[in-house]
Amino acid sequence: GEQVEQRPPHLSVREGDSAVITCTYTDPNSYYFFWYKQEPGASLQLLMKVFSSTEINEGQGFTVLLNKKDKRLSLNLTAAHPGDSAAYFCAVNSGGNNKLTFGQGTVLSVIP
Amino acid sequence: EAAVTQSPRNKVAVTGGKVTLSCNQTNNHNNMYWYRQDTGHGLRLIHYSYGAGSTEKGDIPDGYKASRPSQENFSLILELATPSQTSVYFCASGESWGVSYEQYFGPGTRLTVL
Repeated sequence: GEQVEQRPPHLSVREGDSAVITCTYTDPNSYYFFWYKQEPGASLQLLMKVFSSTEINEGQGFTVLLNKKDKRLSLNLTAAHPGDSAAYFCAVNSGGNNKLTFGQGTVLSVIP
Repeated sequence: EAAVTQSPRNKVAVTGGKVTLSCNQTNNHNNMYWYRQDTGHGLRLIHYSYGAGSTEKGDIPDGYKASRPSQENFSLILELATPSQTSVYFCASGESWGVSYEQYFGPGTRLTVL
């Protein structure tokens, strides 16, 4: 089945700096990709989504890039602020089977 | 007006005891899911359901049962709880037809098995 590897597990940046979180996946039939944000002690909130046909999505200060050739998905934050401090998870849907496979998560800390 | 709710939010159980975690959704989604979250593992799928009366095994079903008595409700049952089942459990709902397969999560239940 699908396997998703997410890096790095922890990331600390200063306010205003950029941050990049990357996921690699194995199933070439994967088509839908998601990023979820989880603030401490809270649930997961859908942050952004990208489909295989679009490859790029922007919003809320984030950019999601999809490289289908390398089976790599990235979440790029151009100017971090303390409110971005949270855990971020990528999730991949493979072949429309109604299931998501999650990465291990990245804890992002933004230092004021 | 949260669309996915879970109860209880916190639970302490004894080893060998029975634990039932409940989930309710008002999204009118066909699919519902139970995950557990542990540090370093992300979310792992335990059981899921395509609709009332159906349950399917996820990636880590051992030690867990599920029940979907209605469109809105999905329960996770630990018949004989063990300390290794100490975790945070999330329920989610999602569409069953191919819009985008995104899932919407409940607030989580923190379970401690002593």
